[in-house]
Amino acid sequence: EAGVTQSPTHLIKTRGQQATLRCSPISGHTSVYWYQQALGLGLQFLLWYDEGEERNRGNFPPRFSGRQFPNYSSELNVNALELEDSALYLCASSRSGVGNEQFFGPGTRLTVL
Amino acid sequence: LAKTTQPISMDSYEGQEVNITCSHNNIATNDYITWYQQFPSQGPRFIIQGYKTKVTNEVASLFIPADRKSSTLSLPRVSLSDTAVYYCLVYSGGYQKVTFGTGTKLQVIP
Repeated sequence: EAGVTQSPTHLIKTRGQQATLRCSPISGHTSVYWYQQALGLGLQFLLWYDEGEERNRGNFPPRFSGRQFPNYSSELNVNALELEDSALYLCASSRSGVGNEQFFGPGTRLTVL
Repeated sequence: LAKTTQPISMDSYEGQEVNITCSHNNIATNDYITWYQQFPSQGPRFIIQGYKTKVTNEVASLFIPADRKSSTLSLPRVSLSDTAVYYCLVYSGGYQKVTFGTGTKLQVIP
């Protein structure tokens, strides 16, 4: 069974640009979660999608947005990039419902110069 | 929201049992407690999940007291490869925000 995949592996942008990160969940999983992990810090919850809808979002500004497609893959968009957006962005997927195990992808390392 | 608190770091010698405690004072009735392990530059990996009392799998045990305001992850006979960051995760109030703890960096010493 293929795991969660994320692309690109690395992404370098400059301040003010936009970044688009992609995630493909495990087959059969309908929930996708996005997390931000700044260097040396814990995982900060960003967004949760389930069945194509945004279910909840963490304490991040509106320039962090995303969507989930009919095939349950997901995109995370970060507009007007700032230096402090540099981080590892992790995507996880799970079966629909609370408490189900989340399977994480390898992450996308975003560097903002 | 159920905020979680863990020790920042712990050291242990190989072969010892390691217990990592997570505090979650505001845990709600329907919340689950889940622990994840993360190696550098990798996504977290599920270890164990529980709701109350004790849960054991091939990797670890999870102890949850009756008041559920804390939980303890127990790793038997750790090895060097167990050196990682361990996160306590509490699912808050149904479809509300998923909260990770601060993580505990476990260093296993030869």
